[in-house]
Amino acid sequence: SQQGEEDPQALSIQEGENATMNCSYKTSINNLQWYRQNSGRGLVHLILIRSNEREKHSGRLRVTLDTSKKSSSLLITASRAADTASYFCATDAVGGSEKLVFGKGTKLTVNP
Amino acid sequence: DGGITQSPKYLFRKEGQNVTLSCEQNLNHDAMYWYRQDPGQGLRLIYYSQIVNDFQKGDIAEGYSVSREKKESFPLTVTSAQKNPTAFYLCASSRRAPGTSQPQHFGDGTRLSIL
Repeated sequence: SQQGEEDPQALSIQEGENATMNCSYKTSINNLQWYRQNSGRGLVHLILIRSNEREKHSGRLRVTLDTSKKSSSLLITASRAADTASYFCATDAVGGSEKLVFGKGTKLTVNP
Repeated sequence: DGGITQSPKYLFRKEGQNVTLSCEQNLNHDAMYWYRQDPGQGLRLIYYSQIVNDFQKGDIAEGYSVSREKKESFPLTVTSAQKNPTAFYLCASSRRAPGTSQPQHFGDGTRLSIL
């Protein structure tokens, strides 16, 4: 079952521009997480935001969470060619186990 | 350095054959997970284990089996009953915090193909 759904499916920008990816989900959550995957590699955890938090920062990353709209956004500022990757959101479920449900991802291309 | 090691990186399966994918972690994590990734599909959970000698089915467990005899190891067997095994398989581990998710650490995957 796919809970999170990212939008857009693909995004192409120039180096130095900001990239925004969105995630929508269906059920109440404890946490929402964002991951990055370089081509042919495993996922790397970027940031976790709890359901009682509205915004979180980590370096050039900014994540927002709106539990009333069941949505989150990931903003990458001043993008670099090395940011080229797929980005996934993942959610757990209140009352559920500790497992995560991943969306299908946004494929970001940053052109030099 | 702590991490998760998956082997082999590439694996080929013949018709009617069972194959086993290895996953080892030295992060001292209690929980381990197996995911399948198809192109454009995101990750789907096959099996997960929250403690040694215990594991649960995920969303697509049919045709797969696992064991968790040691904390460090969570091998996945793709059986001949899995008719469409071609995919990228990812193993992950995390700490446990009952009732809520934790960040997961991933290996670099095994790509399985049918001969």
